[in-house]
Amino acid sequence: AQSVTQLDSQVPVFEEAPVELRCNYSSSVSVYLFWYVQYPNQGLQLLLKYLSGSTLVESINGFEAEFNKSQTSFHLRKPSVHISDTAEYFCAVSVPGGATNKLIFGTGTLLAVQP
Amino acid sequence: NAGVTQTPKFRILKIGQSMTLQCTQDMNHNYMYWYRQDPGMGLKLIYYSVGAGITDKGEVPNGYNVSRSTTEDFPLRLELAAPSQTSVYFCASSSRGPQETQYFGPGTRLLVL
Repeated sequence: AQSVTQLDSQVPVFEEAPVELRCNYSSSVSVYLFWYVQYPNQGLQLLLKYLSGSTLVESINGFEAEFNKSQTSFHLRKPSVHISDTAEYFCAVSVPGGATNKLIFGTGTLLAVQP
Repeated sequence: NAGVTQTPKFRILKIGQSMTLQCTQDMNHNYMYWYRQDPGMGLKLIYYSVGAGITDKGEVPNGYNVSRSTTEDFPLRLELAAPSQTSVYFCASSSRGPQETQYFGPGTRLLVL
């Protein structure tokens, strides 16, 4: 079985500061890795995903995440955050070859950007 | 292209009442899902469907039922509401394949008193 751990439930940061949101996973097989973002009072939307190839993946709004197989991690980073990045961020995994598309989510990290 | 729509946005139920949460998608996705989100718990899968007429249980199916008569619609039924079902419910859809992005609706906030 797979599991996802997001140790930080909340990360406060000042505007224009860098941030890292941590995600570790556990799985006996290879996985696909996702970061979803949930803005206040909205549904989740995909931020970025790692399927294969380059271990560094980027989103269109300046976030990036690096897949580290040896540490079973997929941390999300941004060099300079904006107020508008305030949201809850969920790390998730799915299993290649699975027939059900099931996503296993972490418990989420609330990124609170302060002016 | 509206994506995934959910109704109602908010509902208060009394213990023992029933209701149906509606979900519709216009992306012709075969796969649809129902999740519940509780504070500090992330999202838990309630039921999913891989196509019209095919549904299966997720992680937390007790107290819920689903049906999938069309590709577009995937309603979630609560038969006897309990306070433990107070939550935010999200419907999602995707194309086939675990690499595919899931597209989420805006959610239904349910309060059972």
